[in-house]
Amino acid sequence: GNSVTQMEGPVTLSEEAFLTINCTYTATGYPSLFWYVQYPGEGLQLLLKATKADDKGSNKGFEATYRKETTSFHLEKGSVQVSDSAVYFCALTPVAQKLVFGQGTRLTINP
Amino acid sequence: GAVVSQHPSWVICKSGTSVKIECRSLDFQATTMFWYRQFPKQSLMLMATSNEGSKATYEQGVEKDKFLINHASLTLSTLTVTSAHPEDSSFYICSARKGFREQYFGPGTRLTVT
Repeated sequence: GNSVTQMEGPVTLSEEAFLTINCTYTATGYPSLFWYVQYPGEGLQLLLKATKADDKGSNKGFEATYRKETTSFHLEKGSVQVSDSAVYFCALTPVAQKLVFGQGTRLTINP
Repeated sequence: GAVVSQHPSWVICKSGTSVKIECRSLDFQATTMFWYRQFPKQSLMLMATSNEGSKATYEQGVEKDKFLINHASLTLSTLTVTSAHPEDSSFYICSARKGFREQYFGPGTRLTVT
């Protein structure tokens, strides 16, 4: 079956620190991989995506690379800001199927 | 772009009444929409998959008679919580699939049943 495992939170960092949130997956076939972000009281926003092995998704300073050999899609940002405080969800979907979410990682950035 | 709206953004209702939540894809057509429920500090729980022109597919454990889903057009799906009770209070989020893989989410509806 398909599943996503995310690094357990909460994660607390200081502003300008380097961020890594680990995500590994189990899937049949060739899924697409996503990172979504949820700010307090809001729905999910698509942060970045990758559709095939070795693709790098990037947006707003965040990056993640689709690593098929390690079945991973770790989220990174070189210098976080207070405004990055949110919950981050890693997810995958095979073609035309349901999204499978990780459990979410709550990130807090302190000034 | 790919924008999904939900209405209302929050609603308070009395126990025993029904509440309808709308989900619209504003700038694309979505043959498939999804309804999720989210409890505080938890991940999203898929409730049902809604396909335009056909009956919704409910996840195991979700009462189809309590959570009525209608996907009347390629841009609109509705979730009706019938005979709501306090335990139905939650954050409900819809999403619409664009193409074969990408899902775009609405801003969510917070339901409080008193």
